[in-house]
Amino acid sequence: QSVLTQPPSASGTPGQRVTISCSGSSSNIGSNVVNWYQHLPGTAPKLLIYINNQRPSGVPDRFSGSKSGTSASLAISGLQSEDEANYYCAAWDNSLNGWVFGGGTKLTVL
Amino acid sequence: EVQLVESGGGLVQPGGSLRLSCAASGFTFSTLWMCWVRQAPGRGLEWVSRINSDGSNTIYADSVKGRFTISRDNAKNTVYLQMNTLRAEDTAVYYCTRAYQNAFDIWGQGTMVTVSS
Repeated sequence: QSVLTQPPSASGTPGQRVTISCSGSSSNIGSNVVNWYQHLPGTAPKLLIYINNQRPSGVPDRFSGSKSGTSASLAISGLQSEDEANYYCAAWDNSLNGWVFGGGTKLTVL
Repeated sequence: EVQLVESGGGLVQPGGSLRLSCAASGFTFSTLWMCWVRQAPGRGLEWVSRINSDGSNTIYADSVKGRFTISRDNAKNTVYLQMNTLRAEDTAVYYCTRAYQNAFDIWGQGTMVTVSS
């Protein structure tokens, strides 16, 4: 059972907009920044969003992040087949004194 | 090119030990925190440990506390993870990652650790 809660799966058709939610508590998302990672099996995870809504250079602006209270979300617009991957949210947890991840959301592009 | 390369994974019996290494290049290693993150088969990502820039402060996930030790050699641009008293549930791909602005911005390709008799 992960400290941060994500839906196990999400799907969309090419060109569509999808959102992935991440729910936490006051000790993690409620008081710290949220980051999002994209992970394809067999490859290194990739930082997609940091400090809630910032994109590293090279990440397309189709990806956006937001945070409100103890929840965060990742939005992907103009869905493309190469977006098919696992997506994880993460945040520092003040009570656990460490980083916590969501369980991951497998995104399927239909 | 900014790069992290892990090594040292393999098959080990329950109760055994293993030391992972992560060689960094392309950035000023000695100024940044480093972490280990793992992914067990069929599971999600799990943060394991963090070491600060000069190695004076370390923290661990409860699941590995007392069994794993993170360390670094800034002269060699390398971070290590000493894993003792290994259990089957430690079986995972172990990733070395750089912590910058509270995010894991650079990741290695990972090294597989299998704990089995």
